[in-house]
Amino acid sequence: AQTVTQSQPEMSVQEAETVTLSCTYDTSESNYYLFWYKQPPSRQMILVIRQEAYKQQNATENRFSVNFQKAAKSFSLKISDSQLGDTAMYFCAFMKHRDDKIIFGKGTRLHILP
Amino acid sequence: NAGVMQNPRHLVRRRGQEARLRCSPMKGHSHVYWYRQLPEEGLKFMVYLQKENIIDESGMPKERFSAEFPKEGPSILRIQQVVRGDSAAYFCASSPQTGEADTQYFGPGTRLTVL
Repeated sequence: AQTVTQSQPEMSVQEAETVTLSCTYDTSESNYYLFWYKQPPSRQMILVIRQEAYKQQNATENRFSVNFQKAAKSFSLKISDSQLGDTAMYFCAFMKHRDDKIIFGKGTRLHILP
Repeated sequence: NAGVMQNPRHLVRRRGQEARLRCSPMKGHSHVYWYRQLPEEGLKFMVYLQKENIIDESGMPKERFSAEFPKEGPSILRIQQVVRGDSAAYFCASSPQTGEADTQYFGPGTRLTVL
């Protein structure tokens, strides 16, 4: 069975700093997808970034980028120039290719301090 | 293009009552998924449906929970005889039939409180 582990329950950084959220996963699959979702206080789940396992190039979306290490089964999220609006719960998630269920980690609560 | 719609946003039920949660997928999406989020936890998969078919219900509790996605109208998650442990946020997601078939877009969730 696949598992997703986020080892940092909570983090705080100053506005404009760079922060990295860690995520490791366990799977025997070779083809899969990895995601980072953001859940702000409104509780809406927002897709931040997505990575296909067959792609070696790390995905980027504006200030958000990932460091995907397939051999190490690591998938960290880097937020550059952090903003107050980045304050949220961040979930790392995994899905097998052609599967229907996303497996979520327990989340990292990120506070951006003014 | 409207996103995934869920209603109600908040639902309060007393123990033993029934809860009905509704989800309208994004336009053009024919796949619907339900997840449950307990306090301070990540989301847990419950069920995956296509129109008029349950494809995967491996995450659904065996009793009191059911889901449907009729040919017309929203998907419904139904919880009969609710208990306090059913208090949670229930999220619906949808995905398109083709294209980015593996990206699920989430609705705002329904917060169920059982008194």
